[in-house]
Amino acid sequence: QSVLPQPPSTSGTPGQRVTVSCSGASSNIGTNAVNWYQQLPGTAPKLLIYTNDQRPSGVPDRFSGSKSGTSASLAISGLQSEDEADYYCAVWDDSLNGVVFGGGTKLTVL
Amino acid sequence: QVQLVQSGAEVKRPGASVKVSCKASGYTFTNYAIHWVRQAPGQRLEWMGWINGGNGNTKYSRNFQDRVTITRDTSATTAYMELSSLISEDTAVYYCARLIWRSSSHNWFDPWGQGTLVTVSS
Repeated sequence: QSVLPQPPSTSGTPGQRVTVSCSGASSNIGTNAVNWYQQLPGTAPKLLIYTNDQRPSGVPDRFSGSKSGTSASLAISGLQSEDEADYYCAVWDDSLNGVVFGGGTKLTVL
Repeated sequence: QVQLVQSGAEVKRPGASVKVSCKASGYTFTNYAIHWVRQAPGQRLEWMGWINGGNGNTKYSRNFQDRVTITRDTSATTAYMELSSLISEDTAVYYCARLIWRSSSHNWFDPWGQGTLVTVSS
C-alpha cells in the first residue's frame, strides 16, 4: 500500500500557526475527500477533520483543512501545548481499492 | 455513545495466529463497516482491510491478502481480525474503526477502538 508523503515533523511556539501538507495522486486525493486524524501520545487516533474541511463537533475551530488538486493541508492556529501529537492524512485510493494513510507528522510545541 | 472496545494484549510465537476482537455498541452494527488498521512501534498507520457489518463482505489490503481474515458476529455486534503466520515484524498495535460512509468519495473513520498490542516473539 502506498504512503502519502507528509513532512515527518514540524514545530511551533504557543499561539503560532503551523501547517501540515499531504501529497497524493489523481487516484486518491485528486478524486476523493481527505480526512485528518490526531494521535496523542499513547492513544488511538481520533478524527480531526473529515471530507477535506469539516470539523466534528468538539474539535476547536483552530483546526482547519483544505484540499487543492492532489494535495491537502491541515492548519493549526493559536497553537497550544495540548496540540502536541502525530497528525495523519488519509484518503480512499481508487487504484488500490483501499485506504492510504500519510506517513504522519509529529508536531512539537516548543 | 458509540464505542468500539477491543480485546486485550497478546503475545504470540512466530508462525502462530492471533485473533483480535472489536465489540461495537451505541449504534446499529449492521449499518456500518468496520476497518482494521495497524501501527508498528514508532511507525505510521497501515490499513489492513474491512468488513461490511451487514452482508459480511470483506476487502483486504494486498499487503495482507494471504494472511488476514476479517469476520463478524452480528448477534454479538463484534468484528474479528485474524492474522496468521506471524513474524516479528507483525508486532504492532491493531486498531478497529467504524467507517462513516456518505458516498464512494466521502467516508471517514469514527470512532476508533482503543487498540490491541500484539507482540510476536520467540
